[in-house]
Amino acid sequence: NAGVTQTPKFRVLKTGQSMTLLCAQDMNHEYMYWYRQDPGMGLRLIHYSVGEGTTAKGEVPDGYNVSRLKKQNFLLGLESAAPSQTSVYFCASSNRDRPPHYYGYTFGSGTRLTVV
Amino acid sequence: AQTVTQSQPEMSVQEAETVTLSCTYDTSESDYYLFWYKQPPSRQMILVIRQEAYKQQNATENRFSVNFQKAAKSFSLKISDSQLGDAAMYFCAYRSMDSNYQLIWGAGTKLIIKP
Repeated sequence: NAGVTQTPKFRVLKTGQSMTLLCAQDMNHEYMYWYRQDPGMGLRLIHYSVGEGTTAKGEVPDGYNVSRLKKQNFLLGLESAAPSQTSVYFCASSNRDRPPHYYGYTFGSGTRLTVV
Repeated sequence: AQTVTQSQPEMSVQEAETVTLSCTYDTSESDYYLFWYKQPPSRQMILVIRQEAYKQQNATENRFSVNFQKAAKSFSLKISDSQLGDAAMYFCAYRSMDSNYQLIWGAGTKLIIKP
């Protein structure tokens, strides 16, 4: 069981560069989420998706874009990276049919991104 | 909007003893869910325990139990017989009953286990 897989695990970008973080889940989950984790602030929701082809903004969406072209994949893009986007990024998924209070979310192992 | 507060940035406990981590939240809803997640140095987020607001009985999972005080909007986590493997960041989270299953997170408590 792979669960939720995030790639890459680590990345260093220069200011202004772009990149895409990939999240893939093999559990047929409907809902997928992108969070960022910064010291002392817990997790903050960037964008989320409630199904293939749909996305919505979370708490801190500025500077990020997302796409959910396939149900199993949820991509997070940074078009022009800034040092303020240095963070650890987590992808998570949950199942619509079995409410997540049964299992909570299933998380990926995170991507540590540094923008210099 | 709902908020979750963990007032203890760091806690330490002697191995084999009991420790309680605090969490309070603010909401106007009557039905919701609460969670405790553990994040060890590996960064993996692991669900520890969950509580449904409509249940009066406190949830228990082996050495982990909660003290859920709905009126006080308090949701503390008790870890009994602490083990070295319990050392981690612990996050409290709230889930509303809306349709997108978003979680609202506390800032976390770092738990140190002293051997």
